[in-house]
Amino acid sequence: QSVLTQPPSASGTPGQRVTISCSGSSSNIGSNYVYWYQQLPGTAPKLLIYNNNQRPLGVPDRFSGSKSGTSASLAISGLRSEDEADYYCAAWDDSLSVLFGGGTKLTVL
Amino acid sequence: EVQLVQSGAEVKRPGESLKISCKASGYSFTTSWIGWVRQMPGKGLEWMGIIYPGDSDTRYSPSFQGQVTISADKSISTAYLQWSSLKASDTAIYYCGRLGLGDGSRGGFDYWGQGNLVTVSS
Repeated sequence: QSVLTQPPSASGTPGQRVTISCSGSSSNIGSNYVYWYQQLPGTAPKLLIYNNNQRPLGVPDRFSGSKSGTSASLAISGLRSEDEADYYCAAWDDSLSVLFGGGTKLTVL
Repeated sequence: EVQLVQSGAEVKRPGESLKISCKASGYSFTTSWIGWVRQMPGKGLEWMGIIYPGDSDTRYSPSFQGQVTISADKSISTAYLQWSSLKASDTAIYYCGRLGLGDGSRGGFDYWGQGNLVTVSS
């Protein structure tokens, strides 16, 4: 069981805005940056958000991240069929390791 | 262009040893952390550890400390992940990634290899 808790699934229709939550503790999210990854079926993960809310070059501004206290969220606006994927949050933990959330499977209806 | 190219799929017996590789190109190999992530069949991502090829500083997740060895050969820009005695539970896809964005050794993997499927079965 992951220390970073994500809902196992989320869904939305094209054009909608969806959010995925990630809950941690003071030893990880509460005191360190949060990262978000997208993993399309059968492919390697891709970094979507770093340092809580920064997007790497090439990531559309439909994707945004936020953090408050010991929780973080990934928002996807203008949902598209190609956004159907698994999404993972991650953060450094004081146990001297990066922790990943359990992942959220996003379905575009 | 930054590229991480991993060695091919492996099928091994329990108890055998294995070393898989991740060859980097398109950036200065010695000045970025590079690490490994495990994904067991149908499961999520697990951070295993990282290495700074410039000085071989290596950090392991407590979950993987003593179970695997991470190394790097800066003369050929290649990182390695090795096991001395495989178990069936090591069956997984292993990804390498470059830590290029965020908080240094605690940061995000901005480039990834294609993954190595390791199957351990008798």
